[in-house]
Amino acid sequence: AQRVTQPEKLLSVFKGAPVELKCNYSYSGSPELFWYVQYSRQRLQLLLRHISRESIKGFTADLNKGETSFHLKKPFAQEEDSAMYYCALSGHGNKLVFGAGTILRVKS
Amino acid sequence: NAGVTQTPKFRVLKTGQSMTLLCAQDMNHEYMYWYRQDPGMGLRLIHYSVGEGTTAKGEVPDGYNVSRLKKQNFLLGLESAAPSQTSVYFCASRVLAGHTGELFFGEGSRLTVL
Repeated sequence: AQRVTQPEKLLSVFKGAPVELKCNYSYSGSPELFWYVQYSRQRLQLLLRHISRESIKGFTADLNKGETSFHLKKPFAQEEDSAMYYCALSGHGNKLVFGAGTILRVKS
Repeated sequence: NAGVTQTPKFRVLKTGQSMTLLCAQDMNHEYMYWYRQDPGMGLRLIHYSVGEGTTAKGEVPDGYNVSRLKKQNFLLGLESAAPSQTSVYFCASRVLAGHTGELFFGEGSRLTVL
């Protein structure tokens, strides 16, 4: 079975502080993992995918197969990073499942 | 460039009524998905389709039916609405590109069942 766990419903940090949004997954095969973001009054959109090993808007995420994790990190949070963040896993039959989401609130 | 369009955007139903949500995409994508978004539950997959004429169950399929008669459209039906189906529904599509294709989302449809 595919499962994604995001343990934090809300993460509140001050501007300039480091951010780490946690994501753990359960999957028997080789996973494809993504982070999606939903800003206020905007559509859900892709932030980054593990296979690209890219940095988008200062965010990075590394797949750790040993710990079955794909945590999202940013060294210095900005107010415009405030949003809902979803971790997602694509597995068997192109079924794509999401975690419960974490609200990131960046305070000035 | 419309992308993924959902109709209607808002709807209020009484318990037991039926309705259909329409999702249309103009990107020639093979895969289409229906999710519901609930506070504390995140996005949960209802049904999905890997091509015209095919559908498959997701995590929470009970109480919903779907059809994909045309490649560009994916319909989500509620035959007998229940208050537990009050939610925001999102449709998404992606191109046939292995596992790495990006999902494109609609704006969402807010459904309230009284």
